[in-house]
Amino acid sequence: AQSVTQLDSHVSVSEGTPVLLRCNYSSSYSPSLFWYVQHPNKGLQLLLKYTSAATLVKGINGFEAEFKKSETSFHLTKPSAHMSDAAEYFCVVSDNSNYQLIWGAGTKLIIKP
Amino acid sequence: GAVVSQHPSRVICKSGTSVKIECRSLDFQATTMFWYRQFPKKSLMLMATSNEGSKATYEQGVEKDKFLINHASLTLSTLTVTSAHPEDSSFYICSATSGTSLYEQYFGPGTRLTVT
Repeated sequence: AQSVTQLDSHVSVSEGTPVLLRCNYSSSYSPSLFWYVQHPNKGLQLLLKYTSAATLVKGINGFEAEFKKSETSFHLTKPSAHMSDAAEYFCVVSDNSNYQLIWGAGTKLIIKP
Repeated sequence: GAVVSQHPSRVICKSGTSVKIECRSLDFQATTMFWYRQFPKKSLMLMATSNEGSKATYEQGVEKDKFLINHASLTLSTLTVTSAHPEDSSFYICSATSGTSLYEQYFGPGTRLTVT
């Protein structure tokens, strides 16, 4: 069975400092992994995805994530936070055998001025 | 590209009535559409998967007679909440995949349903 654990329900950083949102997964198959962002009153937007190509994945808005199989992790990072990054972030895994996505509980990113 | 719309964005209905939510893929043909429910401060819960022209596959614990899903065309799926109750109040989100990107879902903006 697959599962996703987002280790922090809330992360608070100051504007201009690095962002780290942690995600661990378990999967019996070679997974595809995604990060989605949900801004208040807006739809979910795909930030980036890993589908068995390069382990370091670059996404939109300066975010990137690294797939580490040995650690079963797919942490999301950004070198310098911007106020517009304040949102809810979801780590998602798919087992590649069907379309079903398994969602993490989400991490709320708070940016302090 | 890959835009999914939902209508309405917000709806308030009285207990016992039915409400229909539409999900449209605007610039691609969606072979598969998904319906999710999101509770406050919680993650998304998959309700059902629908393929165009066939019956939806419901997740365990989701009442198929209460949440009617129709995927009549490659660009439109509807979710009808029948005989709504206050506990059905939630944020409903649809997503869609095209044949060219099997594992990437494009999400609608969601519909906030409030049952009074």
